[in-house]
Amino acid sequence: EVQLVESGGGLVQPGGSLRLSCAASGFTFSSYWMHWVRQAPGKGLVWVSRINSDGSSTSYADSVKGRFTISRDNAKNTLYLQMNSLRAEDTAVYYCARPPASGYGYFDYWGQGTLVTVSS
Amino acid sequence: DIVMTQSPDSLAVSLGERATINCKSSQSVLYSSNNKNYLAWYQQKPGQPPKLLIYWASTRESGVPDRFSGSGSGTDFTLTISSLQAEDVAVYYCQQYYSTLLFTFGPGTKVDIK
Repeated sequence: EVQLVESGGGLVQPGGSLRLSCAASGFTFSSYWMHWVRQAPGKGLVWVSRINSDGSSTSYADSVKGRFTISRDNAKNTLYLQMNSLRAEDTAVYYCARPPASGYGYFDYWGQGTLVTVSS
Repeated sequence: DIVMTQSPDSLAVSLGERATINCKSSQSVLYSSNNKNYLAWYQQKPGQPPKLLIYWASTRESGVPDRFSGSGSGTDFTLTISSLQAEDVAVYYCQQYYSTLLFTFGPGTKVDIK
């Protein structure tokens, strides 16, 4: 059974940093691209970032470019999102999401999400 | 960037009746080389992550009831729930994956029981 379990969320002050993790199991993690998607409280879904299967290629939404870094450790079956210079508008539930093996950018598995709150 | 819009923002439908949600993209998401529309639909219930319903605009994900169907091509798409059930109360999102550097979702449509 495919499982994605996010962790690392919490309360952080504006300008602070946080690293999110997504532990994957039930599939060959190293064969799949992975994504982060976020959802502000009461709002819609916003794609944040993606990384290819070996970690050599990444892309980001303009709103986080230069502040967030996506990475992965295929030996640990874990996806990461390093978030720096956090702003109030980064407050959201962060989901890791897996596309199908083909790599096309729709998401057939999602984690339960981890809440990041940026506030003083 | 490809901007996705949805209509209506919300709708209330009687149990057993049809619900129709529209999604429009600011540019075509039809890839001519394979004639596929890079458009997906998701269902999200309160407190839960999104669930994939439809991909390639009209292909139902495994396990999704056949009362859910997707149609459309190019820039205009529709998600239809043929006979609304109580468990279908949720917010529904469309998403384009044509642009592989920036994936975008629609703002969502809330479906309730009338």
